[in-house]
Formats: sequence, structure tokens, C-alpha cells
Amino acid sequence: DVKVTQSSRYLVKRTGEKVFLECVQDMDHENMFWYRQDPGLGLRLIYFSYDVKMKEKGDIPEGYSVSREKKERFSLILESASTNQTSMYLCASSPPRGSGANVLTFGAGSRLTVL
Amino acid sequence: DQQVKQNSPSLSVQEGRISILNCDYTNSMFDYFLWYKKYPAEGPTFLISISSIKDKNEDGRFTVFLNKSAKHLSLHIVPSQPGDSAVYFCAATPYNNNDMRFGAGTRLTVKP
Repeated sequence: DVKVTQSSRYLVKRTGEKVFLECVQDMDHENMFWYRQDPGLGLRLIYFSYDVKMKEKGDIPEGYSVSREKKERFSLILESASTNQTSMYLCASSPPRGSGANVLTFGAGSRLTVL
Repeated sequence: DQQVKQNSPSLSVQEGRISILNCDYTNSMFDYFLWYKKYPAEGPTFLISISSIKDKNEDGRFTVFLNKSAKHLSLHIVPSQPGDSAVYFCAATPYNNNDMRFGAGTRLTVKP
């Protein structure tokens, strides 16, 4: 069964702390994504990556960075956490271009609270 | 600016009746559309999709309709079951593109 695993389900951090959210997929997917989910706003794309060491900005990249050193792992980094980054963070992966369906497989989410 | 809009934040229906969830989009480059379902404390899971060359796609109790001229799609669930209670997200993407955009979601409650 295909899987996207987010290492932390719940995190509580203080303003100004550096935060790492880790995501691993076992499907050999080229594409990986980070979204945040907020009430009334749905899922908003933060960053995505279509290959190792490649990254593209989504709609709301400000305050975030990403790292993709290995194909299976995509990390989201909050350099200096702020209260407005309190949210549910969802990682996803998908097959490469040309494979047909653009179906994302999501992880269970990481709920981050910044105090 | 949200390119995919779900204007109804919630919908409540009786078990056995039809549920109709609506979605509008603004970007004419979108030509592949998906619905995802999300239960609390879980990630969204893929439900059904449709490409722009079709106007209807069925999978069991779920049917998605696409009206390209109106830039509108809808998800019909017939008959609705209590286990269908979840948040439903509409998503759209240019075909074979990595860039998927989601709506704000509609919370469906199916009452026994």
C-alpha cells in the first residue's frame, strides 16, 4: 500500500524557533508537495519539488523553505516560526509528468501550533 | 486569489438522499479536475476525477459532472450514507502539470 509518512503529527513551538517538518514517501514518486490547510481557505500550496534538489514556489512560500536531498524525502522548514504559521501542514506526492493521472497521495498531516 | 472556489462551506442531507457538492474555477488552463475526501485527523484521499474531454464520470455512488463553458463542476453522491460525512475538496490542474489548486472545502454531514 502506497504511503506518505509525516514524522510529527502534533508539534508545539515558540515564536522564533526553527521548525522542521519531515515527509517520506515510499512510492518512488518524482513529485512532492507541501500544503497548509486553514479553515475557510482550503489547501494552499507552499512549495513543490519535481526532482531531487529541485523546488518551485507555490502560492504562499513566504516564511518557508524546503529541502529535497533524496527522492523519497521532502522537508519543510520554518526558519523563524510565527503565530500566523499555526496550521495543519500536509505533505503529498504524485507520479511524474506524462504518467496520466495527476493524483496526489497525502500524508496524515502535521498540526503545528506556534505560541 | 482563489482559482478554485467552493462557495458552500457545509451541506447536510438525509441518509439515502442525493448530495450535490459544487465547485467553480476561474483559470481556463485547468483541464483536469479531482475530488478529494478528508476525514478528521487524516490526509485527503482521492475520490474521483474528470478530464476536460468528458462531461461526466461515474464511479459507483459518485458522479462528477463538468460544464466547461460555465467553469463549473459538481459531485453527486447517490444514495448518501453516514460514512460519507467528511470534508470534500475540489481540485484542478492543467493536465500533466504539477501545479494543483484546491478549493476551500465543503463539510458534508449525512444524517441517519
